[in-house]
Amino acid sequence: EIVLTQSPGTLSLSPGERATLSCRASQSVSSNYLAWYQQKPGQAPRLLIYGASSRATGIPDRFSGSGSGTDFTLTISRLEPEDFAVYYCQQYGSSPYTFGQGTKLEIK
Amino acid sequence: QVQLVQSGAEVKKPGASVKVSCKASGYTFSSYYMHWVRQAPGQGLEWMGIINPTAGSTSYAQKLQGRVTMTRDTSTSTVYMELSSLRSEDTAVYYCAREMDSSGYLGYWGQGTLVTVSS
Repeated sequence: EIVLTQSPGTLSLSPGERATLSCRASQSVSSNYLAWYQQKPGQAPRLLIYGASSRATGIPDRFSGSGSGTDFTLTISRLEPEDFAVYYCQQYGSSPYTFGQGTKLEIK
Repeated sequence: QVQLVQSGAEVKKPGASVKVSCKASGYTFSSYYMHWVRQAPGQGLEWMGIINPTAGSTSYAQKLQGRVTMTRDTSTSTVYMELSSLRSEDTAVYYCAREMDSSGYLGYWGQGTLVTVSS
């Protein structure tokens, strides 16, 4: 089973700042099948990024994903108030399709 | 538009079973695999398993093997997740989620079903 470790656990930033979230895998993720999701309180997760770097439909271009192998990054270039939420990475290259433990992005 | 509508909240006693449904609409049911993901209160997301809606074949997280069963009814475009021998640690919101294509990332989610296990 691939274990995904996200860092930091909590990130405190201000609107307009740049956010960099990390997701590290315990072994190489096949075909870079790595997705990022955003979750707000009381809501289901929302797909942001798939294939490590492809934005899902309707996702603003301030969200970008990068990385390969075992190290992946989600970058939000300029934080908007609605971006403060919890972010999860998930690998879907091999079963079980594990999630990271999440990074909470909070307003400073 | 794609919609996944789940059944309502459940309260169960330890040792009981729960069956959650997820009715799909707005697309060809047999074309996309469905996953189940759960989230304990204040915790992260946990992948539970996947069902092929055409063949009915399944793959489960090892942690839940023997207690979880995923099935589907193609006549009603509904998938089901049944969890048995419930314990307090199974208290969570349970989500069904559909793949966007055949790769495995989850583009559509149900609204979630809260299952509470309490004596």
